[in-house]
Amino acid sequence: EVQLVESGGDLVQPGGSLRLSCEASGFTFSIYWMSWVRQAPGKGLEWVANINQDGSEKYYVDSVKGRFTVSRDKAKNSLFLQMNTLRAEDTAVYYCARSPSPAKSDSWGQGTLVIVSS
Amino acid sequence: QSALTQPASVSGSPGQSITISCTGTSTDVGGYNYVSWYQQHPGKAPKLIIHDVSDRPSGISNRFSGSKSGNTASLTISGLQAEDEGDYYCGSYTTRGSLGWVFGGGTKLTVL
Repeated sequence: EVQLVESGGDLVQPGGSLRLSCEASGFTFSIYWMSWVRQAPGKGLEWVANINQDGSEKYYVDSVKGRFTVSRDKAKNSLFLQMNTLRAEDTAVYYCARSPSPAKSDSWGQGTLVIVSS
Repeated sequence: QSALTQPASVSGSPGQSITISCTGTSTDVGGYNYVSWYQQHPGKAPKLIIHDVSDRPSGISNRFSGSKSGNTASLTISGLQAEDEGDYYCGSYTTRGSLGWVFGGGTKLTVL
């Protein structure tokens, strides 16, 4: 069974940093693209970033470019999202998702909540 | 403002069919057959129900179907059931601005 478990969400002040993690199991992690998608409270889905199988290709939505960095660790079957210079508008549930191709996801984690507030 | 346009809400009675539209441009929906649809129930993670415009993942009911014409994709749910109530999002590969993935604003389906 495919499982994606996110962690690292927290309350952080504007300008602060946070690192999200996603531990994958139940599938061969190294052959899939992986994505981060977020959902602000009461709002729709927004793609944040994705990364290819070996980490050589990374793409970001414009609003997080230069502030967020996506990475993965094959040995730990884990996906990460380093978030710096956080803003109030980054407040959301962040989902980790398995992506058979760059623009679709067939398995999602339960999400981790990030709140940016003073 | 979302890159893809969906109606905010649709409704239907049990047994009926409904269609949700998803309008984009030639740089996303119209340019690629990489449209996907997701169902989300309150407090839950999204679930893939259609990918690559019209393909259903294993385990998804054939009551769900997808299509595309020009810059508009559509999700049709036939034989509406109470458990279909929820939010539906379309997504597409895009080459506009950030090379990647864009979603619609979501459509709330109410089963009357």
